[in-house]
Amino acid sequence: DIQMTQSPSTLSASVGDRVTITCRASQSISSWLAWYQQKPGKAPKLLIYKASSLESGVPSRFSGSGSGTEFTLTISSLQPDDFATYYCQQYDSYWTFGQGTKVEIK
Amino acid sequence: EVQLLESGGGLVQPGGSLRLSCAASGFTFNNYAMSWVRQAPGKGLEWVSAMSASGISTFYADSVKGRFTISRDNSKNTLYLQTNSLRAEDTAVYYCAKVRDLQSFDYWGQGTLVTVSS
Repeated sequence: DIQMTQSPSTLSASVGDRVTITCRASQSISSWLAWYQQKPGKAPKLLIYKASSLESGVPSRFSGSGSGTEFTLTISSLQPDDFATYYCQQYDSYWTFGQGTKVEIK
Repeated sequence: EVQLLESGGGLVQPGGSLRLSCAASGFTFNNYAMSWVRQAPGKGLEWVSAMSASGISTFYADSVKGRFTISRDNSKNTLYLQTNSLRAEDTAVYYCAKVRDLQSFDYWGQGTLVTVSS
């Protein structure tokens, strides 16, 4: 089974900050990686697919990069609406989520 | 507009069963794989099961294999999850999700809560 490890688990940041979240796969998954945003009490929302493709309607301040085993999600200028929990997901072999990264207000 | 509406959750005793449903609209249901994902209270997301568009192929997480069964009725645009031999650790919000090209999950329902407790 492919394991996904995100870091950090919690991130404290201010509006306007550049934020980077890392996701590592236990084996190579090529670019078969997605990122989701989840707010409390709500369903997850797809942000990025195929490691770096921006989902339609998602603001351009979100970007993804990486391939193989190491991936990053970057928010170029954090906005108030971006405080949430973010999950990576591999879909190279079945589906596995990372444990999540909570972005909180500093 | 794509809509996914789960139902069927509730309180069940350990060892019991529930059938969850997910009614889909706003897209051609029989063209897409579908999946179930769960989230225990205060925890992260866990993929549970998926089914191909035709219903021929099914996939399960090890944690539910042999206890849960995914199915779909393309004539009713509905996805199901039969959950048997439920355990306390199955307590979670269960989401259904539309799977794009058997890859990422592009639309999600709002979830249905399953509580396993005596």
